[in-house]
Amino acid sequence: QVQLVQSGTEVKRPGASVKVSCKASGYTFTSYVIHWVRQAPGQRLEWMGWINAGLGYTEYSQRLQGRVTFTRDTSASTAYMELSSLRSEDTAVYYCARDVDPNGGTYFIFDYWGQGTLVTVSS
Amino acid sequence: DIQMTQSPSSLSASVGDRVMITCRASQSISTYVNWYQLKPGKAPKLLIYAASTLQSGVPSRFSGSGSGTDFTLTISSLQPEDFAVYCCQQSHSSPRTFGQGTKVDIK
Repeated sequence: QVQLVQSGTEVKRPGASVKVSCKASGYTFTSYVIHWVRQAPGQRLEWMGWINAGLGYTEYSQRLQGRVTFTRDTSASTAYMELSSLRSEDTAVYYCARDVDPNGGTYFIFDYWGQGTLVTVSS
Repeated sequence: DIQMTQSPSSLSASVGDRVMITCRASQSISTYVNWYQLKPGKAPKLLIYAASTLQSGVPSRFSGSGSGTDFTLTISSLQPEDFAVYCCQQSHSSPRTFGQGTKVDIK
């Protein structure tokens, strides 16, 4: 069965960076796009961008452009999200989610999600 | 950005009730709306995509309707496992945006 398993809780100081992993299983990792979505406390879900797991192409939301980087390791079927210059407003649960398109495209419909990774930014 | 506004923000209902949640887009988005169920500590779950298509494995008591700017998620007979937060999302244009969520709890 399809599973996305994310890395554990992180606590970071303002100005630091965080890297969250998302290990995929149960499907051909390189055939799909992985999106990243976050939810700050009391806020709505926010789409952060995507990475084509096969080709490595990326798209980032304009709000986070320049601070966020998506990478992947195809040999480990794992996608990564790195966010730099952390600020308190980045405190959130971060999710990876798979796009429904099995041809590496982006329908922006998220059919499987990871369990979420809590990132807390605090001095 | 397209704003997605859900109503109500929360509701209390009993097992067996019919529940309807609406989502309004700030501009016309055809049928590019998806619905998700969120529970604390669990992976979010896709329920409905393209406004009315039931995701594989999702019980048929869930249904979706609407086009343009107004969309509805209906749970025909609420079950104990359905108490959760429900979110709409538009997949029409970037940035893809979500509604603020509707919390369904036990009356």
